[in-house]
Amino acid sequence: AQKVTQAQTEISVVEKEDVTLDCVYETRDTTYYLFWYKQPPSGELVFLIRRNSFDEQNEISGRYSWNFQKSTSSFNFTITASQVVDSAVYFCALNGRGNTGKLIFGQGTTLQVKP
Amino acid sequence: DTGVSQNPRHKITKRGQNVTFRCDPISEHNRLYWYRQTLGQGPEFLTYFQNEAQLEKSRLLSDRFSAERPKGSFSTLEIQRTEQGDSAMYLCASSLSEAGRGEQYFGPGTRLTVT
Repeated sequence: AQKVTQAQTEISVVEKEDVTLDCVYETRDTTYYLFWYKQPPSGELVFLIRRNSFDEQNEISGRYSWNFQKSTSSFNFTITASQVVDSAVYFCALNGRGNTGKLIFGQGTTLQVKP
Repeated sequence: DTGVSQNPRHKITKRGQNVTFRCDPISEHNRLYWYRQTLGQGPEFLTYFQNEAQLEKSRLLSDRFSAERPKGSFSTLEIQRTEQGDSAMYLCASSLSEAGRGEQYFGPGTRLTVT
């Protein structure tokens, strides 16, 4: 079965703190894709990153970085120097089996950044 | 480049009524997905289209649900004889095919409340 687990339901930090959001996935596929999406209070899911299973290089984009570790089936997301605008629900997702492209989402982590 | 649009944004209906939602994908995207999101959960896959063909339906999609994508452009999702359990956010997403690997871009969703 394919599954995505985000064990952290809610995280609260003070502005400028670093925060890491955890994502653990299960799949039997050797080729798969992982995604992170942000859902701000407005409700619209915003694509952040896509990573394929053959590329274990960490990626950095501004204050965002992602750590993909196949050995532990994890794809963690770190926000450096958090800002109030980072407050949102963050979802990790796994590309489902086959060619459908359907996404299997985790339960989401609500991040609150306080000023 | 306009994003994915959905109408209406909110719908309140009485139990037993039929409702129809519309999704307009990004124009060059040939794949269109419907998801449902309930409070505190990640989106769950309902169905998807490649061009006008509906290629997969989730078992979440009961016989009361039907989706169409005539001419491979916009899509509609109809729920017949609504039940209170249908209350949720209905999300539409589109992507380029890329053999199912492409990132999906989401619309703002239609929030359905069944009273």
